[in-house]
Amino acid sequence: DAGITQSPRHKVTETGTPVTLRCHQTENHRYMYWYRQDPGHGLRLIHYSYGVKDTDKGEVSDGYSVSRSKTEDFLLTLESATSSQTSVYFCAISGVSGSMSYNEQFFGPGTRLTVL
Amino acid sequence: AQTVTQSQPEMSVQEAETVTLSCTYDTSESNYYLFWYKQPPSRQMILVIRQEAYKQQNATENRFSVNFQKAAKSFSLKISDSQLGDTAMYFCAFSYTGANSKLTFGKGITLSVRP
Repeated sequence: DAGITQSPRHKVTETGTPVTLRCHQTENHRYMYWYRQDPGHGLRLIHYSYGVKDTDKGEVSDGYSVSRSKTEDFLLTLESATSSQTSVYFCAISGVSGSMSYNEQFFGPGTRLTVL
Repeated sequence: AQTVTQSQPEMSVQEAETVTLSCTYDTSESNYYLFWYKQPPSRQMILVIRQEAYKQQNATENRFSVNFQKAAKSFSLKISDSQLGDTAMYFCAFSYTGANSKLTFGKGITLSVRP
């Protein structure tokens, strides 16, 4: 299995507070992604990274920022959390390694975030 | 922009029987990838099967196979000999070719396998 971890796995916070979610990989893959999963919407792309300090917006980027200072870490920040950001957040990676190709993504275990 | 549609929110199947999950998509590209992901109650996203659009042969992985109809933009998943462990949410997904393989997902379908 691809080495991807997310922290924290669960978090409850209050509206208006900043929140940072961390994704860590041990695969040295170039591409990393943040998705959110909501009932009735499937998974939607928030931001992605194609290298250290190289990031771009996805479909639902408003209210989120990201940073990638090292290959292995991709951080997702909610500057001022809102109740609409209550969701399950998934990190994913893609790259070339063994049997894995660019066009396959492997996902972390997810973080359940509740904003009260 | 590409879209992925899964119109059936829920399905149920008897253990050992066969079930087909439907997916349609829309894109103007001629080459791309299609995927089915499984999400069991553990929440982990698991890649089930992948289809490359330029390949006419339908992908197969053990009990899982796809019916890829490129002209109709249809990509259904067939699960044979259903097992209780197949109970999960299933997502159809699309990506363009190239190194940046960001995925577009359908809304998912909840599959229940009855004993």
